[in-house]
Amino acid sequence: DIVMTQTPLSLSVTPGQPASISCKSSQSLLYSNGKTYLYWYLQKPGQSPQLLIYEVSSRFSGVPDRFSGSGSGTDFTLKISRVEAEDVGVYYCMQGIYFPRTFGQGTKVEIK
Amino acid sequence: QVHLMESGGGVVQPGRSLRLSCAASGFIFRDFVMHWVRQAPGKGLEWVAVIGYDGSDKNYADSVKGRFTISRDNPKNTLYLQMNSLRVEDTAAYYCTREGRSFDYWGQGTLVTVSS
Repeated sequence: DIVMTQTPLSLSVTPGQPASISCKSSQSLLYSNGKTYLYWYLQKPGQSPQLLIYEVSSRFSGVPDRFSGSGSGTDFTLKISRVEAEDVGVYYCMQGIYFPRTFGQGTKVEIK
Repeated sequence: QVHLMESGGGVVQPGRSLRLSCAASGFIFRDFVMHWVRQAPGKGLEWVAVIGYDGSDKNYADSVKGRFTISRDNPKNTLYLQMNSLRVEDTAAYYCTREGRSFDYWGQGTLVTVSS
């Protein structure tokens, strides 16, 4: 199984400041079609997970442009340019290239 | 708009069975691969199972293989998860999710508690 490792596991951020989460996979997520199947989700307190970023860097419908994804191969990053109060929750990366689908452990983001 | 609603959760003794349902609306159900993902209390997300468009292709996490069965009824726009031989470690919120841009829409989840 592909292991997804996120760092840090928790983050306390002042509103308006940037935040960054790293995700590393144990195998390359680059498929033969040239696409890289790495996704980011946010689970806000008491809610279901919601898709933020698909295929490394594409924002899902309705996701604010302060969220951005980057990376390639096995190393990926989610950045929030200016954290807002509504961004609190747990962020997960997930690989979508192989079964079983596997998630990172989650990164809890809170506001200072 | 896309809507997924799970049902069927509850409290069950170890070794017993439970069937979860996921009612889909707002999209052409038969055109999408569907998954179940679960989350134990206070823990992270764990993928459980996937089913193809017409139900012929299925895949399972090792932790549930041989005990859980995923199925779908396209005319009824409903996804199912038959859970047999339940274990205490199966206690979790179970989410159904659609594979569009990956898991792009999720239900609100249904809680399964396995306890004696």
